[in-house]
Amino acid sequence: GAGVSQSPSNKVTEKGKDVELRCDPISGHTALYWYRQSLGQGLEFLIYFQGNSAPDKSGLPSDRFSAERTGGSVSTLTIQRTQQEDSAVYLCASSLVVQGGYYTFGSGTRLTVV
Amino acid sequence: EDQVTQSPEALRLQEGESSSLNCSYTVSGLRGLFWYRQDPGKGPEFLFTLYSAGEEKEKERLKATLTKKESFLHITAPKPEDSATYLCAVQAGGGNTGKLIFGQGTTLQVKP
Repeated sequence: GAGVSQSPSNKVTEKGKDVELRCDPISGHTALYWYRQSLGQGLEFLIYFQGNSAPDKSGLPSDRFSAERTGGSVSTLTIQRTQQEDSAVYLCASSLVVQGGYYTFGSGTRLTVV
Repeated sequence: EDQVTQSPEALRLQEGESSSLNCSYTVSGLRGLFWYRQDPGKGPEFLFTLYSAGEEKEKERLKATLTKKESFLHITAPKPEDSATYLCAVQAGGGNTGKLIFGQGTTLQVKP
């Protein structure tokens, strides 16, 4: 597509429930990233995909967080047993090249855990 | 540890009043320094990439410069539509990742 698409744009969930966030990157972009932006905080790196593999998962905050990418395209970030501290905007970005290339970001999914 | 610090946190300008935003960084092997603009409720929008000290890039009223320890985003004669949060990020060398390390951002408000 023309841009990076994320869904849903907003998600309210109860504490303890699982949520899935979806990212559809720009067609042809092999690199895909997930970031988290909490209120008043900078963007925090979560995970990087090159194709379908994830060479860098160092930013995932706990084992409740997982992500996958299929067909070198769509990615899903799953948060199990959500906690209130998971409330944030989850941003996905894609890029054509890994080193030195700029990202194109989606508009994000605002997750609120109540 | 790789780190990015932006200052000031917030900046209020009158329309036409030029100023600069600062981004100081500590990184092991800089591969690139990036400036993004973020409007409320939207994802960051790419502005510039700088790769080496002495490099400068311009776009409309914005000019980004880079030294070995910091980058400046100069805003000349800003307009209200320049109001946004400006984010600086660095990409470090080594490893097989395109991970960016972001600063906290500078929120700019330009009043008419």
